[in-house]
Amino acid sequence: NAGVTQTPKFQVLKTGQSMTLQCAQDMNHNSMYWYRQDPGMGLRLIYYSASEGTTDKGEVPNGYNVSRLNKREFSLRLESAAPSQTSVYFCASTISGTGELFFGEGSRLTVL
Amino acid sequence: EDQVTQSPEALRLQEGESSSLNCSYTVSGLRGLFWYRQDPGKGPEFLFTLYSAGEEKEKERLKATLTKKESFLHITAPKPEDSATYLCAVRVSGNTGKLIFGQGTTLQVKP
Repeated sequence: NAGVTQTPKFQVLKTGQSMTLQCAQDMNHNSMYWYRQDPGMGLRLIYYSASEGTTDKGEVPNGYNVSRLNKREFSLRLESAAPSQTSVYFCASTISGTGELFFGEGSRLTVL
Repeated sequence: EDQVTQSPEALRLQEGESSSLNCSYTVSGLRGLFWYRQDPGKGPEFLFTLYSAGEEKEKERLKATLTKKESFLHITAPKPEDSATYLCAVRVSGNTGKLIFGQGTTLQVKP
């Protein structure tokens, strides 16, 4: 049982480049989330999708876009990467109505 | 503004030395407080959910408690394998299930 799978695990970008982080879950969860984690800042919500077909902004959405491709997949896109987007990105999912999130292993992004 | 603050930032214990981690919150309407454990290089892993003041949950050497203003994660006779970062999060009334996380407490247990 894979749970939440994120790709890639590591990525180095140059300022201005674009990329997409992929996330897929196999637990039939309705809600999916993208967080970033920075030292001393804790986990901050970028975007979330309460159910298939809906997406909403979190605390720090600027510079990002998301797509809920289907019930399983939720992608995060950086259109023009900036050094401030250097971070560890976590995808998570849950059954609707609970705070018991299941997290992926993280994607470590460095923007030079 | 909804806020979650954890203390201390870091804690070093000897094996067997019991202690507590604190999570204080100021939110408009609490719909659950959650504790997670995060090992280095991994995603957070769910531990407990608490919904109302006075509620307690236990798992092995860990016990989580909740008051109207804060939660404690008590660690009894810790072992080196309890070393990790412990994250607290709250779910607030009026949102659609998203969580607000504290900064975490990094626990190191020395043998």
